[in-house]
Amino acid sequence: DGGITQSPKYLFRKEGQNVTLSCEQNLNHDAMYWYRQDPGQGLRLIYYSQIVNDFQKGDIAEGYSVSREKKESFPLTVTSAQKNPTAFYLCASSMMKNTEAFFGQGTRLTVV
Amino acid sequence: KNEVEQSPQNLTAQEGEFITINCSYSVGISALHWLQQHPGGGIVSLFMLSSGKKKHGRLIATINIQEKHSSLHITASHPRDSAVYICAVPSNTGNQFYFGTGTSLTVIP
Repeated sequence: DGGITQSPKYLFRKEGQNVTLSCEQNLNHDAMYWYRQDPGQGLRLIYYSQIVNDFQKGDIAEGYSVSREKKESFPLTVTSAQKNPTAFYLCASSMMKNTEAFFGQGTRLTVV
Repeated sequence: KNEVEQSPQNLTAQEGEFITINCSYSVGISALHWLQQHPGGGIVSLFMLSSGKKKHGRLIATINIQEKHSSLHITASHPRDSAVYICAVPSNTGNQFYFGTGTSLTVIP
């Protein structure tokens, strides 16, 4: 079955360490997205990519990096420059015109 | 200005009640998504709809494109329905989705 997979579901890291969140899709979707959710707030766009080897910053890209070397994969690295990394992270993918979109189950990152 | 507005923000219901959650949006869209987020954070996609109505079990989603409004209904609500329900719409340029802030539903036995 086609779908989008985020891993892991829960992740713990020590302050100052970089951490990479995985997002894989086998839907042949062109576009992929990363969002962040803080308690009591809506989801905010971190990065998006519409084609391989190209990506664009969203509203809150500072402290994050991404790569899109393959169509299927869009990993997000939370760097030590991100001041408040503890949050829920959601990956999504869609066809270019957003007629079809799928959402991952999310990764809850806790930095201690 | 928020592109997507949800109401109510919080909702408490007795088991068995009929529940309605509303979503209004300001952008032109090709499809609207309803998502469910359980305590602990995992997201589940419930519906994607571009017109009319869809039904899955006790859940029903409707959309009125002209009025830019969608509703999610839960019939015969159950405590396991307790979750945050989020609606999402794509931007006109296709470079992101806009999300509502969510409706936190608690169903009491």
